[in-house]
Amino acid sequence: ETGVTQTPRHLVMGMTNKKSLKCEQHLGHNAMYWYKQSAKKPLELMFVYNFKEQTENNSVPSRFSPECPNSSHLFLHLHTLQPEDSALYLCASSQENGRDLYFGPGTRLTVT
Amino acid sequence: RKEVEQDPGPFNVPEGATVAFNCTYSNSASQSFFWYRQDCRKEPKLLMSVYSSGNEDGRFTAQLNRASQYISLLIRDSKLSDSATYLCVVIPSGYKLSFGAGTTVTVRA
Repeated sequence: ETGVTQTPRHLVMGMTNKKSLKCEQHLGHNAMYWYKQSAKKPLELMFVYNFKEQTENNSVPSRFSPECPNSSHLFLHLHTLQPEDSALYLCASSQENGRDLYFGPGTRLTVT
Repeated sequence: RKEVEQDPGPFNVPEGATVAFNCTYSNSASQSFFWYRQDCRKEPKLLMSVYSSGNEDGRFTAQLNRASQYISLLIRDSKLSDSATYLCVVIPSGYKLSFGAGTTVTVRA
């Protein structure tokens, strides 16, 4: 595997479900990110981890819970989501300067 | 005012044409600028950085106008494969990137 991978690629969940998104980067980067992309809107930064430490939480609701066990893996735990949370969730990684982001293919999430 | 604003388009151009579009940013202290490309249902990928003096990468030319606070992207001799959404990215400070919503370009045969 190369680059940044994400699983699952598609997810449909009810508002009472609990699910997790997984991201893995094979680039040796030190920073990992979660972004939300909704139709016709700019990418919204959700969380940033540098060397496994969370350095940014962009006022994200607590129903989204990130986890970064090491520099190569990042999770986004989801629970009691709302229909407006339906979006494309993109994971990215970079060297610590954060200037060149490498994105994964994303998880397209639908909350019913 | 949004941090980064782009004309959403779409810009529909024939093959071989030149297409150009701008992106405005609100923070005059911004130091770094980029263009990312996002194909339909794919992830964004870095297209090119934008330098103060302007820069070219093949058929793509990026320019920065600090006085008017905008960057531009020009695509010469458009190819069908250039059809995509182009995302403007500005770093107002530190390492936190601000994305525009994107400009969609469609190149037709």
